[in-house]
Amino acid sequence: DTGVSQNPRHKITKRGQNVTFRCDPISEHNRLYWYRQTLGQGPEFLTYFQNEAQLEKSRLLSDRFSAERPKGSFSTLEIQRTEQGDSAMYLCASSVSSGANVLTFGAGSRLTVL
Amino acid sequence: DAKTTQPPSMDCAEGRAANLPCNHSTISGNEYVYWYRQIHSQGPQYIIHGLKNNETNEMASLIITEDRKSSTLILPHATLRDTAVYYCIVNHEKLTFGTGTRLTIIP
Repeated sequence: DTGVSQNPRHKITKRGQNVTFRCDPISEHNRLYWYRQTLGQGPEFLTYFQNEAQLEKSRLLSDRFSAERPKGSFSTLEIQRTEQGDSAMYLCASSVSSGANVLTFGAGSRLTVL
Repeated sequence: DAKTTQPPSMDCAEGRAANLPCNHSTISGNEYVYWYRQIHSQGPQYIIHGLKNNETNEMASLIITEDRKSSTLILPHATLRDTAVYYCIVNHEKLTFGTGTRLTIIP
């Protein structure tokens, strides 16, 4: 197992364009999380899934953001009509929903909106 | 979610023990204490967690006070590679990160 994989690692886009990030979790992990991190701040929770069900969404997740996990395996995070304020590192993590909730993070996808 | 308070920065000499404090006075009975660290431009890395008892693994030790309102992460022999931001997190379903402690190991 290679851990949590995120693609692309870097994305530069123009304001108004749509972008999609993909996360492949550790195979036996049934929970998947998305976080956003801006410079100098800790990661901010966006949303999480247990299997294919999206159990919680942060108020940070505006209607331009949508996350899916259609088969309970990989997940996508789409941002529509990107704005410069969307520039950040988008982090994915996965875990097993039993006992302590130890998250394994991916390396992140860095978005730059010009 | 329970909140945590950590000092914004700390220095530690290489080879010495680094002791990172965390206050979590509003912790609930079933909430774990988790510690993660983040080295520049990488995703957060899990270090250790505990509920009531002190814990030790190959990376660190976690000391939790009897009332569970505070904890200390101990890196026993700090190296330059331990320079990172360390996050203390106290909740369960969704880990809520604060701004952490920036630990700098001094040669």
